[in-house]
Amino acid sequence: SAVISQKPSRDICQRGTSLTIQCQVDSQVTMMFWYRQQPGQSLTLIATANQGSEATYESGFVIDKFPISRPNLTFSTLTVSNMSPEDSSIYLCSVRDYDYEQYFGPGTRLTVT
Amino acid sequence: SQQGEEDPQALSIQEGENATMNCSYKTSINNLQWYRQNSGRGLVHLILIRSNEREKHSGRLRVTLDTSKKSSSLLITASRAADTASYFCAPKYSGAGSYQLTFGKGTKLSVIP
Repeated sequence: SAVISQKPSRDICQRGTSLTIQCQVDSQVTMMFWYRQQPGQSLTLIATANQGSEATYESGFVIDKFPISRPNLTFSTLTVSNMSPEDSSIYLCSVRDYDYEQYFGPGTRLTVT
Repeated sequence: SQQGEEDPQALSIQEGENATMNCSYKTSINNLQWYRQNSGRGLVHLILIRSNEREKHSGRLRVTLDTSKKSSSLLITASRAADTASYFCAPKYSGAGSYQLTFGKGTKLSVIP
């Protein structure tokens, strides 16, 4: 199984600012995913980030708001731009291994005031 | 929607009792994964069961899959207070490009000491 770490674990930010979340995996993986979990809700996929290509965004999510970088096979960042209180959520990084099991990081709890 | 639907939404049991959670899905799947989420934390991968498997065990966990009924169940035996968490199923649907997992709202399990 993959071990995933995320930084920061939590943050409180002011509206209008941006936050970059880092995701580090202990092994090389092709597919990485970013999810959002709003308070009391289930997980929603934001985008898929494959190394060497542009991220693929799901309906309702755009690159200008959630730019993603994937510089190598063990690392990715998600930026939440121009934040509003509606962006307050847990953001989770996820990877899928060769056996199709999908693992999640510990999450970044973001509060926007 | 194509997400898995967990049932019941909430379950409260005494420590030592068994807990059963169910998941229903819509169309054919390659596999189905179960996860646990402690309050406000990341998701912990529990079990992946493939479409050609009917039952899998891991410690006190037993997962069954009935593809004819498009349903799966997660049984936790001899529950402990530490099992208190939300449990999610995530079906991986068949089809080209269908690589993402979809999550329902989960079952919130409370184990009373």
